[in-house]
Amino acid sequence: EPEVTQTPSHQVTQMGQEVILRCVPISNHLYFYWYRQILGQKVEFLVSFYNNEISEKSEIFDDQFSVERPDGSNFTLKIRSTKLEDSAMYFCASSEDLVTDTQYFGPGTRLTVL
Amino acid sequence: QQQVKQSPQSLIVQKGGISIINCAYENTAFDYFPWYQQFPGKGPALLIAIRPDVSEKKEGRFTISFNKSAKQFSLHIMDSQPGDSATYFCAASSGTSYGKLTFGQGTILTVHP
Repeated sequence: EPEVTQTPSHQVTQMGQEVILRCVPISNHLYFYWYRQILGQKVEFLVSFYNNEISEKSEIFDDQFSVERPDGSNFTLKIRSTKLEDSAMYFCASSEDLVTDTQYFGPGTRLTVL
Repeated sequence: QQQVKQSPQSLIVQKGGISIINCAYENTAFDYFPWYQQFPGKGPALLIAIRPDVSEKKEGRFTISFNKSAKQFSLHIMDSQPGDSATYFCAASSGTSYGKLTFGQGTILTVHP
């Protein structure tokens, strides 16, 4: 069964450093998402992406964040200057279209900012 | 108005029992209500979903009940099994929000053998 994959599974970085989290969505999917989950808390929407453009973003997704689909398979989330409060699990998700709405989540990348 | 409130925070059920998790929402534009199951160290996985044109949807041991007038929906797990022990999230989205899912706080379900 096709699945969303994410790398790395765990990323440790120093405060102020840039990190790039990578995702490979399911191949025929057109809509891509990033969510984050701070330990013990609910999953929070960050951004949705379609046709090489951001469709919607949350208030969390400020100028420090950016997303990109650099080629036909990868979808990346970049945090320019990490803060301690960016420590969380980051999930990538994809969906075939908006009508069916089923979003398939990857296993996540645990980001630890020291 | 964008929040989805979920209860209880945790739930302990004996094997074979019924697990019930409730969610409430305010935003009347929400038109898609999925439930996700998450095991430790894994991403959320879609369990079952409902749209407001029906009041109930059943898939195997899992049933969603939906009350549009009360703006509430719930997940019922019949004949709960130890393998059902996980965190369950309700969520909601609207057709105008480009797939943005708003999640509830989550319920940690423990099913004792």
